[in-house]
Amino acid sequence: DAGVIQSPRHEVTEMGQEVTLRCKPISGHDYLFWYRQTMMRGLELLIYFNNNVPIDDSGMPEDRFSAKMPNASFSTLKIQPSEPRDSAVYFCASSPDRRDIQYFGAGTRLSVL
Amino acid sequence: KQEVTQIPAALSVPEGENLVLNCSFTDSAIYNLQWFRQDPGKGLTSLLLIQSSQREQTSGRLNASLDKSSGRSTLYIAASQPGDSATYLCAVRPRNTDKLIFGTGTRLQVFP
Repeated sequence: DAGVIQSPRHEVTEMGQEVTLRCKPISGHDYLFWYRQTMMRGLELLIYFNNNVPIDDSGMPEDRFSAKMPNASFSTLKIQPSEPRDSAVYFCASSPDRRDIQYFGAGTRLSVL
Repeated sequence: KQEVTQIPAALSVPEGENLVLNCSFTDSAIYNLQWFRQDPGKGLTSLLLIQSSQREQTSGRLNASLDKSSGRSTLYIAASQPGDSATYLCAVRPRNTDKLIFGTGTRLQVFP
C-alpha cells in the first residue's frame, strides 16, 4: 500500500477563499483522523471518523471548518472562508483499529495570505 | 484534562551518545502511549507503541518505557547517529477516547 495520501502538498490562498484538503487512507483502515500542527499549539486533533462516521469533532475550531468522509477511501477537510490564522500544516492519519498505531500522511502546508 | 509535556524541548549531542527523551502526562488513565518521529517537512512515523499493561517496548536501538502510575515515559536511543536527527513526539490515548493527545516534542540534533 502507498500509505496515507494527502493532496495538495502545499496550498497558498487568499483570505476569504474556500480551501479543500483531501485524504486517501490506507485501504482497510477503519479510523481516519484530521490533525492540525502549528508552532504555537503543536499537533491538535480536529475530527476523527470510524467507518466513515464522524465520531468526535470537538477539535474543529469554528463553523468555518467542515469534514466529510463519503466513502472508506476518501475524506475532505474544508475551510470556508479561510483566514490567515488557519495557516498551518494539516495532517491526515488512518488506523486499522482503535488499539493500533496511526499512520500519517505527509501533510498539506496551508498558507492563507 | 490530559496534558502531555516533553523535556527537553531541544537537544544537541555528538554521534555515539546514548540519549533519554522524557514524556510526562497528567492523567494516568490511558489506553496506550506512542512515540513518533517527525522529519522536517514530513509527516509522523510511529516508532513504538506501549499498551497500558506493558512496561516497555524495544525496536532496534530504541527502547521506550512506561510508568503509568507516575505519568512518565522515556525513549532511550542507544548509540545515536546523525540520521536520528528529527523531532520526537510522544502521544497518549486517554482511556475513554480514540484520540491521541500529543506532547510538544523534543527536537534532536546528532552531529558527527
